[in-house]
Amino acid sequence: NAGVTQTPKFQVLKTGQSMTLQCAQDMNHNSMYWYRQDPGMGLRLIYYSASEGTTDKGEVPNGYNVSRLNKREFSLRLESAAPSQTSVYFCASSLRALANTGELFFGEGSRLTVL
Amino acid sequence: AQKITQTQPGMFVQEKEAVTLDCTYDTSDQSYGLFWYKQPSSGEMIFLIYQGSYDEQNATEGRYSLNFQKARKSANLVISASQLGDSAMYFCAMREGRTGANNLFFGTGTRLTVIP
Repeated sequence: NAGVTQTPKFQVLKTGQSMTLQCAQDMNHNSMYWYRQDPGMGLRLIYYSASEGTTDKGEVPNGYNVSRLNKREFSLRLESAAPSQTSVYFCASSLRALANTGELFFGEGSRLTVL
Repeated sequence: AQKITQTQPGMFVQEKEAVTLDCTYDTSDQSYGLFWYKQPSSGEMIFLIYQGSYDEQNATEGRYSLNFQKARKSANLVISASQLGDSAMYFCAMREGRTGANNLFFGTGTRLTVIP
């Protein structure tokens, strides 16, 4: 019962370095999402992919890029990491776009620290 | 303005008692959905319950119920017969009904501690 799998779970970067967070789901879901969670702010949407082949910006997309590689995989890339991107990142998926009643299924999170 | 407001940073409840976690929301849409998620100390987010804006009855899922008061724009989570495993962060979230809306707006969360 893998569900949503994120890698890596922990990462420390220096300012200016790049990295990619990987996410894969095995539930045959159409929609996938990347959120960040910061203390006292709840979760905020970075990017989402309503279906394979499409991606759209969320609330806080600046400094990030995404790729929906196929139906299973949705990656998040930081091209030039900044300390403000220190956060816990969650990947999530849903059977359909949230315009319906679909709940989100979350990965376990990836804790990123940018020094 | 915040779309989701959770005014209780922390709550304590005695084991086996009921507890209500508050959530108010702000939207001008007629169609929207309200969700509650649980985040244990292990970090994953677990879906608990959903209420649609047109649902006339309050949603229930086992020991969880959602007290939906549309006129007050509140969607409080009620946990009955609290268990030690209920200790966690709880997040209220809303999906607005506009076409193409694919975002859940989350509140800042309430940390619930169940006391033995």
